[in-house]
Amino acid sequence: DGGITQSPKYLFRKEGQNVTLSCEQNLNHDAMYWYRQDPGQGLRLIYYSQIVNDFQKGDIAEGYSVSREKKESFPLTVTSAQKNPTAFYLCASSIGIWGDYEQYFGPGTRLTVT
Amino acid sequence: SQQGEEDPQALSIQEGENATMNCSYKTSINNLQWYRQNSGRGLVHLILIRSNEREKHSGRLRVTLDTSKKSSSLLITASRAADTASYFCATALGSSNTGKLIFGQGTTLQVKP
Repeated sequence: DGGITQSPKYLFRKEGQNVTLSCEQNLNHDAMYWYRQDPGQGLRLIYYSQIVNDFQKGDIAEGYSVSREKKESFPLTVTSAQKNPTAFYLCASSIGIWGDYEQYFGPGTRLTVT
Repeated sequence: SQQGEEDPQALSIQEGENATMNCSYKTSINNLQWYRQNSGRGLVHLILIRSNEREKHSGRLRVTLDTSKKSSSLLITASRAADTASYFCATALGSSNTGKLIFGQGTTLQVKP
């Protein structure tokens, strides 16, 4: 089955700790994205990557970091600098960058920081 | 202010009825996409309509686009309880704005059996 996976589904962390969210795709897509979704809200773009070893900040990148060492993988680290990290995080991929292409989403990771 | 705003924010209908959701946007677009999200899950792509298209169908879904009014609508006909979800429009901006995909805040649809 082709698809995009995220793990874990639920994540709990203490304030001040960094945490890394996993995102893997076997769709052979070049572009990958990380979004944040807060209750009752739409999606806000954190980071995106057009190709391996390249990534760019989105609209709300502060307190987050990413890497793209492999085409299939785009992990997101939520650092202690992120002031309000509790949210639902969604990873997506597409054949090419941006809106000419539909985006395929993973099931999401719900992060709770206390 | 939002690039894409859905209306209404919430909609409750009976099974078998039609559901219409609207999306308005502010700047010129290359295309507009509709996505569905079941509670606590990822988004699923429904339809992409390009700026030079006026209407598109997929099964029980019908999407219209009026670029002069900067608006789109999603119609779900003969709704089913399984259609209960949140529906998001996403606008793909023109290349002068990097072509980024911007999501609205969504319409929550409840279909009662």
